[in-house]
Amino acid sequence: RKEVEQDPGPFNVPEGATVAFNCTYSNSASQSFFWYRQDCRKEPKLLMSVYSSGNEDGRFTAQLNRASQYISLLIRDSKLSDSATYLCVVRPFTGGGNKLTFGTGTQLKVEL
Amino acid sequence: NAGVTQTPKFRILKIGQSMTLQCTQDMNHNYMYWYRQDPGMGLKLIYYSVGAGITDKGEVPNGYNVSRSTTEDFPLRLELAAPSQTSVYFCASSRPPGQDTDTQYFGPGTRLTVL
Repeated sequence: RKEVEQDPGPFNVPEGATVAFNCTYSNSASQSFFWYRQDCRKEPKLLMSVYSSGNEDGRFTAQLNRASQYISLLIRDSKLSDSATYLCVVRPFTGGGNKLTFGTGTQLKVEL
Repeated sequence: NAGVTQTPKFRILKIGQSMTLQCTQDMNHNYMYWYRQDPGMGLKLIYYSVGAGITDKGEVPNGYNVSRSTTEDFPLRLELAAPSQTSVYFCASSRPPGQDTDTQYFGPGTRLTVL
């Protein structure tokens, strides 16, 4: 089983739609969770951290379910500019150089 | 702040050649990292450093070497390039782990092809 698993997509959605991505992780001792965004041929950039209580940043909502080892990202009112690959990222444990484990990403294409 | 910069942006190597990928950050981050990203795959950690003079292996260190003589610079050396090293290489930096301060910031990447 992969340490971090994501549906690769692509998810093709019309502008204005709501879309949700899921991610599962295998290490129950994982400490921290993130969503990164990666545009085509660009570097990854932090979109948001994911907290146990769930958190929201504008149109983006992230949820964490530790019992099911499951992370989600909800994007409301999709924009063309949201088209990108969304990487689910897990920090397995504290210490050890702040190492992160990256999923392979879910591709989103927002269309007119 | 320029953030994390990497040179070169692109490079083509022949099998057996060597090269150094340069990485510099101006955010005074102690932690620096090298990743590679193959098509359709997640980023894999090659080496990391928690401060000047301290480096450690990541998940895929074979065929690479690093050094960290200053806080700002973290070069990655490829010796005897092989086609399996064809990839996009990203350098990143961060503060030490902690709440809301340990985001990893990535450079723009180096696209390397080994023929």
